[in-house]
Amino acid sequence: QSALTQPPSASGSPGQSVTISCTGTGSDVGTYDLVSWYQHHPGRAPKLMIYEVTKRPAGVPDRFSGSKSGNTASLAVSGLQAEDEADYYCSSYAGSDNFVFGTGTKVTVL
Amino acid sequence: EVQLVESGGDLVQAGGSLRLSCAASRFNFGIYWMQWVRQAPGKGLVWVSRMNSDGGSISYADSVKGRFTISRDNAKNTLYLQMSSLRVEDTAVYYCTRENSYALDGWGQGTTVTVSS
Repeated sequence: QSALTQPPSASGSPGQSVTISCTGTGSDVGTYDLVSWYQHHPGRAPKLMIYEVTKRPAGVPDRFSGSKSGNTASLAVSGLQAEDEADYYCSSYAGSDNFVFGTGTKVTVL
Repeated sequence: EVQLVESGGDLVQAGGSLRLSCAASRFNFGIYWMQWVRQAPGKGLVWVSRMNSDGGSISYADSVKGRFTISRDNAKNTLYLQMSSLRVEDTAVYYCTRENSYALDGWGQGTTVTVSS
């Protein structure tokens, strides 16, 4: 149950785009289209942004999009806004009723 | 909107026990799988445990297997996490979450567990 690998940080100016990668293995991300992404502002409850690789829950702006290729999933945020500054975590089903989170990426809006 | 309220977090000595509770409201608790997730100070989110709607399917992260027990009372709309043989490395904020389509679409505010040596 090793954590999925994310870059520690990412940044962009308001209006720009940022993409966060999430690298797993053939036992989790590579096998299951069950990757989700969470936004976490410190001190607040995390929020689901993407599920099943590409789907957005109601209320999540379409500036947020997800994709996957092989063992790597990605979260793209376009039209960066100040409120997008947060920690982002990916997660994947890993089989045998287990789940695994990513190491987390701190997104800074410059 | 989903409401999940955790309680039971405390300061406890290593080797001790603690039971966390999660009161659920504003949704039909009895039909959802539920999970516990934790976050140690300055660290990332870590999956802890998962239970299906009727308690018949349970799984744990290797790091807590044999020490933690997840349970639920659907009549009381409450999820529990019984933690024993606590270690310093179990120190974390513990989140109660609702699972939907293998994603966590509802989160509580968390309850803090501190294990001292």
